[in-house]
Parts: sequence; structure tokens; C-alpha cells
Amino acid sequence: KQEVTQIPAALSVPEGENLVLNCSFTDSAIYNLQWFRQDPGKGLTSLLLIQSSQREQTSGRLNASLDKSSGRSTLYIAASQPGDSATYLCAVTRRGNQGGKLIFGQGTELSVKP
Amino acid sequence: DTAVSQTPKYLVTQMGNDKSIKCEQNLGHDTMYWYKQDSKKFLKIMFSYNNKELIINETVPNRFSPKSPDKAHLNLHINSLELGDSAVYFCASSHGHDEQYFGPGTRLTVT
Repeated sequence: KQEVTQIPAALSVPEGENLVLNCSFTDSAIYNLQWFRQDPGKGLTSLLLIQSSQREQTSGRLNASLDKSSGRSTLYIAASQPGDSATYLCAVTRRGNQGGKLIFGQGTELSVKP
Repeated sequence: DTAVSQTPKYLVTQMGNDKSIKCEQNLGHDTMYWYKQDSKKFLKIMFSYNNKELIINETVPNRFSPKSPDKAHLNLHINSLELGDSAVYFCASSHGHDEQYFGPGTRLTVT
């Protein structure tokens, strides 16, 4: 059974710091891994999608890496800003006949202080 | 320009009532989903439809009945609402296993 864990559960950093959010999963038979951002009371915004054959994806100040063999992904945020404050979720889809079922971690709540 | 939309955004109702939540996507995707986010903010899949066909039913009580009239719509009907059904329900869509796009959520409160 696939389980996704995110560490830390909460993180508070001063503005301008580079930071890393961690995600681990127990079954390496994934189809892809997706990072989302969720603002309080809002929906999920997709940040990056990494296919199982890829090692990393970049978008602006965000870089996500994937090491399927060790069951890990990291989300690197460069030069953090107060506007980055949100909950960050990672989720994996499994190979097989279960469609695109996303299995989520519990999220990391990020606070960037001005 | 809304990609995935849900109505209503908020729903407050009493135990025992029946309610529906509607979802529409204009992305041309063939797969749609319902997820539930509980009070601890944990998100879990409920249902998935591909080309109007149910492909995932994740041990959800049969009081919950999804209906997909066409590829662009996936509605969720809930019978005999219970206190434990209070949560935020998210609709999402994708092309097959690809990137999923989420709606803004429907906050259901059962009193």
C-alpha cells in the first residue's frame, strides 16, 4: 500500500532563505509525482509534475527532484518570499489500472516571515 | 476562463438531508475525480471517472453517488447526510494519468 510522508509538517523561515521540502513514498512503482500549493481556504494549485522517468523539473524559483529508487522527492524554493507562505503538498500516482488516483502526503505548512 | 469549477462553494445543511455538488471542466480532459479533505487537511480520493465510466470507487459509503452526464461534468450526490460528512470536497480533472487540475472546493458543513 502506497504511503506518502512529508517532512517537516511545518516550517518557518525568514524572507530570502533558500529552503527544501521533503516528500517520501513507500512504493517506487509510481507513474508521476506532483507538487501542489494550497492557500488557506483555497483549492490546490499545481506547481510541478515529474514523470517517473525524469529526475527533476524547474519552474521559476522552484525546483523539484525525484529519486524513484529511494522513494524521495524534494521541492527546493530559492529566495523565499512572504507570498510563498502556504501549505505544500506532494502526491504520487501509481502505475496500473487505477487511473490517475493521487495519493497525498499530509503537507508542509510554510511560513515566510518578512 | 475557469478551468475546473464547482458549485456551490459553501453548503450548510442539516443531518439527514440530501445534497448535490456540481463540477465542470473546460480543459477537454477525459478523467475527472472527487477528493475529500478532512478536518486535518488530509486529502483522499473518493471517485474517478474516465470517459463517463467509473474506474475508482475508494470504499466510499454508498450514500455518495457520483454521476457523469458527459466528459466535462462530474456531479456528487450525497444522501442522508451525517455529521462526519463535513469536509471540503474537491473536484479535479486530467488527461489520463497526467497533471491534475483542481477546482476551488466545496465546503460542506452538516449540522
